[in-house]
Amino acid sequence: QKEVEQDPGPLSVPEGAIVSLNCTYSNSAFQYFMWYRQYSRKGPELLMYTYSSGNKEDGRFTAQVDKSSKYISLFIRDSQPSDSATYLCAMSLNSGYSTLTFGKGTMLLVSP
Amino acid sequence: GAVVSQHPSRVICKSGTSVKIECRSLDFQATTMFWYRQFPKKSLMLMATSNEGSKATYEQGVEKDKFLINHASLTLSTLTVTSAHPEDSSFYICSANIAGGPETQYFGPGTRLTVL
Repeated sequence: QKEVEQDPGPLSVPEGAIVSLNCTYSNSAFQYFMWYRQYSRKGPELLMYTYSSGNKEDGRFTAQVDKSSKYISLFIRDSQPSDSATYLCAMSLNSGYSTLTFGKGTMLLVSP
Repeated sequence: GAVVSQHPSRVICKSGTSVKIECRSLDFQATTMFWYRQFPKKSLMLMATSNEGSKATYEQGVEKDKFLINHASLTLSTLTVTSAHPEDSSFYICSANIAGGPETQYFGPGTRLTVL
């Protein structure tokens, strides 16, 4: 079993739809959870950063972490064509400069 | 804030030559920088972790003599691909932690290396 599982997609939705992106993981020691957005031929851009379980909202984006289920989600409300990108989940073990474990990324396509 | 730059953004070189890629944190100090490699439609593969003033820590399977990493200051790390071959062609991305900041990484825009 891989440490972090993420459906590669592509996930195609119409503009304005609510998008749900998910990752599952196997290592219960992960404590820090991140979502990155990566446009083609660009470096990943940090979208959301959460510690432990709970929800975090930033504009149209909401990140959820359920450590009991080892499941994290990113919701995008009122999706826009400019949201079309690959979304990578990432997580790390503990405080300090520990390495990130990434999912493979989900490609999202939002059509006008 | 938290801007990381890379130079060059794209480089084409002949087989057997060496290529240096720079990674700079523009508005923060980065005690730790990371180098990744990404193949098309694949996720990021960590190559090495570098700490300012000390030797880099390489991931298993990454040749440290081929991928030389220098982290000379709190804002600059360099990756040198020595004696490059076509199989080294890839997208190389660096990232950095903010010293004393949250436990996350900020990524540069990447460098596309093509070895002919």
